[in-house]
Amino acid sequence: DTAVSQTPKYLVTQMGNDKSIKCEQNLGHDTMYWYKQDSKKFLKIMFSYNNKELIINETVPNRFSPKSPDKAHLNLHINSLELGDSAVYFCASSPEGTITRRNTEAFFGQGTRLTVV
Amino acid sequence: AQSVAQPEDQVNVAEGNPLTVKCTYSVSGNPYLFWYVQYPNRGLQFLLKYITGDNLVKGSYGFEAEFNKSQTSFHLKKPSALVSDSALYFCAVRDETRMDSSYKLIFGSGTRLLVRP
Repeated sequence: DTAVSQTPKYLVTQMGNDKSIKCEQNLGHDTMYWYKQDSKKFLKIMFSYNNKELIINETVPNRFSPKSPDKAHLNLHINSLELGDSAVYFCASSPEGTITRRNTEAFFGQGTRLTVV
Repeated sequence: AQSVAQPEDQVNVAEGNPLTVKCTYSVSGNPYLFWYVQYPNRGLQFLLKYITGDNLVKGSYGFEAEFNKSQTSFHLKKPSALVSDSALYFCAVRDETRMDSSYKLIFGSGTRLLVRP
């Protein structure tokens, strides 16, 4: 069973297009995240959602719009794609609660490699 | 600000030899530290974590890490490296500066481990 799954795994698209990446977790976690890994392999958080509510937005351009229809899903929609958006995007989840959160790691999906041409 | 540093871009080791991948941290308060591994074209896999307790933490695939408060380090170690250990390793610290119900991981720049036969 895949704990955190993302689709698609690869996405190649032209500049200016709009695209979405989907993420689902079957761990029963309340918190989900999107991280971006750039070409130099640096990993940085983009968004965090807790129980469908936006908690963290790390100064991401508003062309990126996360949507959480329920706490098991966090999708990422990107408008007007730019060359600099090319990266690997990782979805992750973690449990809620001060104690459980502190004692538990985040679980990551396989990543979506986005290439903008 | 919370941060982690991985001073080595790459570590080379012969199969069967011990390996160390270095990580130092800077946090205010108690550190919550993690190691993740990324195999080529794969997602991040959790290896081990330090929350509290014993300074020597054992994790997956025979890896362990030593928490050293005086040196603010959390080096990843393995007594005998395997060729299959070749991957990208990330140290991470949980950002405890926010008081809301979510948290983010701050990652180091990653260290590529190459184990030669």
